[in-house]
Amino acid sequence: DIQMTQSPSSVSASVGDRVTITCRASQDISSWLAWYQQKPGKAPKLLIYAASTLQSGVPSRFSGSGSGTDFTLTISSLQPEDFVTYYCQQAISFPYTFGQGTKLEIK
Amino acid sequence: EVQLVESGGGLVKPGRSLRLSCTASGFTFGDYALSWYRQAPGKGLEWVGFIRNKAYGETTRYAASVEGRFSISRDNSNSIAYLHMNSLKTEDTAVYFCTGASYSSGWYDTYWGQGALVTVSS
Repeated sequence: DIQMTQSPSSVSASVGDRVTITCRASQDISSWLAWYQQKPGKAPKLLIYAASTLQSGVPSRFSGSGSGTDFTLTISSLQPEDFVTYYCQQAISFPYTFGQGTKLEIK
Repeated sequence: EVQLVESGGGLVKPGRSLRLSCTASGFTFGDYALSWYRQAPGKGLEWVGFIRNKAYGETTRYAASVEGRFSISRDNSNSIAYLHMNSLKTEDTAVYFCTGASYSSGWYDTYWGQGALVTVSS
């Protein structure tokens, strides 16, 4: 199975800050990577797919980059509703696997 | 409006069976691949299994942790997907989400249901 390692596991930031979350795959996954946002008690929401394609309706302050084994999710200017948990997921091969999650907290 | 609604969750004893349903609306169900994911209380996300659309033979794949115990089927006429869970274990306790993915979004899971809680306990 492909292991996905996210860092950091939690990060404190302020409204308006720029934040970057990283995700590393244990083997080359090309651009087969998605980023999800999950609010407490809710289903995950697809933000980015194919490593850098913004899902329809997602604000442009979210962006993704990377290929191969190293990927990043950047939120350019944090809004209050962004302080939730984020997951990366590889979608190149079964079983699809996720990073352990990054919780974004208000400083 | 696109909707996926899971139902059939609840409390079940170890070793018993349960079937979850996922009723879809607002999109062309037959064109979509469907997956099930789960999230144990306070934990991260785990992929459970997947069924392709009719054009790809409705083939299925499963996580090793559920292979041989769980199966996925779909009723395209009624826009419903099912997760059949047998020989349930306490470690299967989780919120189960169904998802839909299409060619237009690169087969990524665009649509998610709200989740159904399954609790396996004696």
